[in-house]
Amino acid sequence: AQSVSQHNHHVILSEAASLELGCNYSYGGTVNLFWYVQYPGQHLQLLLKYFSGDPLVKGIKGFEAEFIKSKFSFNLRKPSVQWSDTAEYFCAVSPNSGYSTLTFGKGTMLLVSP
Amino acid sequence: EAQVTQNPRYLITVTGKKLTVTCSQNMNHEYMSWYRQDPGLGLRQIYYSMNVEVTDKGDVPEGYKVSRKEKRNFPLILESPSPNQTSLYFCASKSRGAGTGELFFGEGSRLTVL
Repeated sequence: AQSVSQHNHHVILSEAASLELGCNYSYGGTVNLFWYVQYPGQHLQLLLKYFSGDPLVKGIKGFEAEFIKSKFSFNLRKPSVQWSDTAEYFCAVSPNSGYSTLTFGKGTMLLVSP
Repeated sequence: EAQVTQNPRYLITVTGKKLTVTCSQNMNHEYMSWYRQDPGLGLRQIYYSMNVEVTDKGDVPEGYKVSRKEKRNFPLILESPSPNQTSLYFCASKSRGAGTGELFFGEGSRLTVL
């Protein structure tokens, strides 16, 4: 079975700082990778996803992530965070096969101070 | 509007009193799933369903039941709730098959068991 590890449980940044959230997964086959965001009091929403092709994927709100297959990693980045990026971020992995299910990491809580 | 609808959104109950949390989606998705979210533990899958009449256990199925009699509905049943089932529950759905599909989440149901 697949598993996901997120390196940081809590991250505190000032506005305009750069962000990188680590995500590593464990699975022997081809995977699909996702980052979801949960703003305070809301449900999870998709930020970006990787299926195949260019390992650098761009999502909404200026976020991007890079899939490094050799490192089993899918780190999330943003050059300059805003106060409105305060949220919890979840990395998720799914085997790229029929009838597969998603496994989530434990999440990283990002607090951006104005 | 495409959505996943859960009810109730908030519920306080007592130990042993059976309850059902409903989930309905209007996107004709084959796959549906229930997660619980607890601080520091992220999202853990309870049960999932690949299609009508097909359900499987997730990572934490103990104390829960589900059914999938219709494609749009996937209720979560707690036959005899206990305090350790106090949690935030999310229903989600996606199109069938490979994990390429985006998972759409409901708004969440916050359950407290006294």
